[in-house]
Amino acid sequence: KNQVEQSPQSLIILEGKNCTLQCNYTVSPFSNLRWYKQDTGRGPVSLTIMTFSENTKSNGRYTATLDADTKQSSLHITASQLSDSASYICVVSAGSGGYNKLIFGAGTRLAVHP
Amino acid sequence: EAQVTQNPRYLITVTGKKLTVTCSQNMNHEYMSWYRQDPGLGLRQIYYSMNVEVTDKGDVPEGYKVSRKEKRNFPLILESPSPNQTSLYFCASSLFSGGYEQYFGPGTRLTVT
Repeated sequence: KNQVEQSPQSLIILEGKNCTLQCNYTVSPFSNLRWYKQDTGRGPVSLTIMTFSENTKSNGRYTATLDADTKQSSLHITASQLSDSASYICVVSAGSGGYNKLIFGAGTRLAVHP
Repeated sequence: EAQVTQNPRYLITVTGKKLTVTCSQNMNHEYMSWYRQDPGLGLRQIYYSMNVEVTDKGDVPEGYKVSRKEKRNFPLILESPSPNQTSLYFCASSLFSGGYEQYFGPGTRLTVT
C-alpha cells in the first residue's frame, strides 16, 4: 500500500532556531517527492520537488534531502522565523508517464515562538 | 497573476441541498484535481481531470460529481450533501500530471448541517 508518514506530528521551536522534519514513504513506482508549506486555512504552496536522482534541494532557508535507498526525506529549516509557523506536507508522486498519483502525508504542524 | 480561484470560500448549507463549488485556473493547465482535507488526515483526492472532457475518480469520489467542459474550469458538484462532507476543499492544477508543480486554490470551507 502506498503510504507517506511524517514525524513529528507537531513541533514547537523558538525563533532563530533550526529544525528538521522527517518523511518516510513506501510508494511504488516512485516518481518524485515534494514538500509543501500550508498556512492555516490556505492552500498548500510548493517548496521543493525532487526526483530520484536528486538528493538535496534548497529554497531559501528550506533544504530538502532525499535518500531513495532508505525511502526517507527530510526538510531542514534554518534560522526559523515567526512566518514559518505552518503545516509542512510531504507528498510523493507515484507513477511513470501518463497519470501520476500524489500521496500526501498528514503533515507536521510547526509553531515558531518568539 | 497566475492563480487558481475557488468560489465560494465559505459555505454553510443543509443536508440534501445541491451545491456547486467552482474552480478556475488561468495558467492553461491540462491537469486539474479536487481534494478534501480533514483534521489529522492528509489531503485526499476526490476527482481529477487529465484534460478537457476527461475525468476520473480519485480515492474518495462517493457523493461528488465533476465536469470539465473547458480547460480553465473544473466545478465540484454535491448533488445531495451530507454532514460527512463537511470539510475543507481544495482545487489544484498543473501543466500535466507527473513531475510538474501543482498549484492549489485558496480552499472552500464547507459545513453541512
